Amino acid sequence: ETGVTQTPRHLVMGMTNKKSLKCEQHLGHNAMYWYKQSAKKPLELMFVYSLEERVENNSVPSRFSPECPNSSHLFLHLHTLQPEDSALYLCASSTRDRGVGELFFGEGSRLTVL
Amino acid sequence: EDQVTQSPEALRLQEGESSSLNCSYTVSGLRGLFWYRQDPGKGPEFLFTLYSAGEEKEKERLKATLTKKESFLHITAPKPEDSATYLCAVHGSARQLTFGSGTQLTVLP
Repeated sequence: ETGVTQTPRHLVMGMTNKKSLKCEQHLGHNAMYWYKQSAKKPLELMFVYSLEERVENNSVPSRFSPECPNSSHLFLHLHTLQPEDSALYLCASSTRDRGVGELFFGEGSRLTVL
Repeated sequence: EDQVTQSPEALRLQEGESSSLNCSYTVSGLRGLFWYRQDPGKGPEFLFTLYSAGEEKEKERLKATLTKKESFLHITAPKPEDSATYLCAVHGSARQLTFGSGTQLTVLP
């Protein structure tokens, strides 16, 4: 496998469910990111992990809980979400050497909250 | 606070009809400006990095330019496969990127 892989690609959940999104990168990068993309709005940064430590938490509600067990894997645990959380959730990775601008994105997980 | 505004929101071109997309930005100190391409149902794909005014980068039919206030993505003789949403982002005073809302480009055969 190559690049950044996200699973599942599509997820429908109720407001009381608990689910997780998974991201795996095969690029040897040491920083990983979660972004939220809503229709007609700019990409919103949620979390950044660098060398497995969370270095950025962009005022994200506690119903979103990230986990980075190693430099290749990133999870986003979801619980008691709201309908307005429906969006495309994108995982990205980068190397610290190339800075924060050259990001490699996965194809995203399309989340629908009923 | 870093800000990015992209225009137009949507652009329809005939195949071969050259045009430009605009990215206006406000930052207290630009550390980099980045262009991405996003196809429907896919994540963004990195295209270019620009660091200083006057810099230009080219890739196939695309050329990105930078001034102190804006960047342009020039598309020369576009083809239908160039249809995508083009995203601009800046790295300025914030620790991470600030993205614009994108320009949705459609190239008709």
